[in-house]
Amino acid sequence: DTGVSQDPRHKITKRGQNVTFRCDPISEHNRLYWYRQTLGQGPEFLTYFQNEAQLEKSRLLSDRFSAERPKGSFSTLEIQRTEQGDSAMYLCASSLPRASGSSDTQYFGPGTRLTVL
Amino acid sequence: DAKTTQPPSMDCAEGRAANLPCNHSTISGNEYVYWYRQIHSQGPQYIIHGLKNNETNEMASLIITEDRKSSTLILPHATLRDTAVYYCIVRGNNAGNMLTFGGGTRLMVKP
Repeated sequence: DTGVSQDPRHKITKRGQNVTFRCDPISEHNRLYWYRQTLGQGPEFLTYFQNEAQLEKSRLLSDRFSAERPKGSFSTLEIQRTEQGDSAMYLCASSLPRASGSSDTQYFGPGTRLTVL
Repeated sequence: DAKTTQPPSMDCAEGRAANLPCNHSTISGNEYVYWYRQIHSQGPQYIIHGLKNNETNEMASLIITEDRKSSTLILPHATLRDTAVYYCIVRGNNAGNMLTFGGGTRLMVKP
């Protein structure tokens, strides 16, 4: 399978615990995105990496959230001191830049569903 | 990125063409129209995108009006597995542009 993979697929945790999710992008895709999707809503952008550099962060990404992509390949998203409002599907996407003037397509993984009790 | 407007829901008979409209009247010249779909509890799936010409691939066709203010995604022979939420997104080609998802259209394909 050469698509975007995410681990775990499901996570149940108690309020106040820390959780970490992993995303493996499509090979050679140097752009990686994290989104969050709550029930009944479309995905919302959280943050974006080009290689190992985190270039953009949404205001949705509170200081309890941190994302890394240390070697420019896989990425992790950590949530500290989880709250019930953090319950959502966390989606990762990757893309490969095209020639100047064209658009790069983002391909999504299956997501990690987080439930905070 | 320009905002899009889609009907919240549509029905389609199995085997018939599904035509999903999208309005993006404020689109600018360098913005692409993207379509994704999301089947329940799965990640969004890329379908097709275009700038100003009509596009076709193995999944669907994208028809963009000449003024680029609206578009239609066409699934030529809808099956039950095409039941999903379909998102129309307008996106610039600047580095790192995120996708801004609206409410989408919930397409129900019925036998």
